[in-house]
Amino acid sequence: QVQLVQSGAEVKKPGTSVKVSCKASGYTFTDYYIHWVRQAPGQGLEWMGIVNPSGGTPTYAQKFKGRVTLTRDTSTSTVYMELSSLRSEDTAMYYCARDDVGLLASDYWGQGTLVTVSS
Amino acid sequence: DIQMTQSPSTLSASVGDRVTITCRASQSIASWVAWYQQKPGKAPNLLIYKASSLESGVPSRFSGSASGTEFTLTISSLQPDDSATYYCQQYNSYRALTFGGGTKVEIK
Repeated sequence: QVQLVQSGAEVKKPGTSVKVSCKASGYTFTDYYIHWVRQAPGQGLEWMGIVNPSGGTPTYAQKFKGRVTLTRDTSTSTVYMELSSLRSEDTAMYYCARDDVGLLASDYWGQGTLVTVSS
Repeated sequence: DIQMTQSPSTLSASVGDRVTITCRASQSIASWVAWYQQKPGKAPNLLIYKASSLESGVPSRFSGSASGTEFTLTISSLQPDDSATYYCQQYNSYRALTFGGGTKVEIK
């Protein structure tokens, strides 16, 4: 069965960086792009960017350009989201989600990774 | 950038009621809209894709429709398990996503 398993919760200080992983299984890793979406406490969903596990340049939301980096490791079927220059407003649940271009939607999601930014 | 304006932000209805949630796009986006259900502490779950196609395993009381730039999610007969927040999502040609602000559905 398709699974996206994310790394555990993180507590970071302002100004530092965080790197969250998303390990895919149950399907051919390079056949589907992966989105990253975040959700601040009590707030809505916010798209951050998308990465092609086969390679190429990721696409980032304008808001996060210069601060977020999406990478992938095909040997472990894992994608990574690194967010730098953290501030308190980055405290949120971060999700990876599989992109199904046939559905024009995300059919499988990771369980989420809570990132807390606090001094 | 295309904006998705979702309404209402909250609604309260009784079991068995027909419930409608609307998203209006700021410009024409064909039928590239999906709907998700999210329960507290959980990841979103896909309900509807391409505006009106029901995702496998989703109860048939959920349906989606489109008219111009207005997209609608309907729950034909509200059930207690439908208490959740619902989001619309627009998908563009660059695979970028835009979400509506969400609608919290409460059971009276």
